[in-house]
Amino acid sequence: DAKTTQPPSMDCAEGRAANLPCNHSTISGNEYVYWYRQIHSQGPQYIIHGLKNNETNEMASLIITEDRKSSTLILPHATLRDTAVYYCIVRVGTGNQFYFGTGTSLTVIP
Amino acid sequence: DSGVTQTPKHLITATGQRVTLRCSPRSGDLSVYWYQQSLDQGLQFLIQYYNGEERAKGNILERFSAQQFPDLHSELNLSSLELGDSALYFCASSAPGLQETQYFGPGTRLLVL
Repeated sequence: DAKTTQPPSMDCAEGRAANLPCNHSTISGNEYVYWYRQIHSQGPQYIIHGLKNNETNEMASLIITEDRKSSTLILPHATLRDTAVYYCIVRVGTGNQFYFGTGTSLTVIP
Repeated sequence: DSGVTQTPKHLITATGQRVTLRCSPRSGDLSVYWYQQSLDQGLQFLIQYYNGEERAKGNILERFSAQQFPDLHSELNLSSLELGDSALYFCASSAPGLQETQYFGPGTRLLVL
């Protein structure tokens, strides 16, 4: 089963781009990479997902390397409200269950 | 707002007791997932139901059980509660199909005293 590795914490200045890396070196060819964030103890919030092409939506951009062993979530203009724990997730098991890992605690600094 | 609702928001009970957590999925979603988040551990997958049938099991204790009803809402039953069961319990739902995005509810915070 694929698992993920993320740095435990990062800081980013307000207004700057936040680049959050994730390693998923054992991901299989048909598995998507998902990104969620959790603010305080709220329910995890979906951000974006992708398979092998770069993706962009109103919240963020997702860059996936060609070998699919790693990806980077980009928040283009971080705000204080983006302070949260960010999880890079892949599916495990026979169902659609997610492996969350420990995530990256992002702090946006004024 | 994800469209997934969970009740109650908070629950305080004593060791040895039994509680039921409820989850209503987003309209049209057939899958429901339960996760536990303890202070010392991350989000742990417990169990998944799809259209009333159990689809996958994770790290769910034998004291815990779940079911999904014909109207697709789900309940997680926790019995013989221990102090270590204190945690946030999240429900998520997803649309039919493989690798569908999961949408999470606000969670139920359980405190066992």
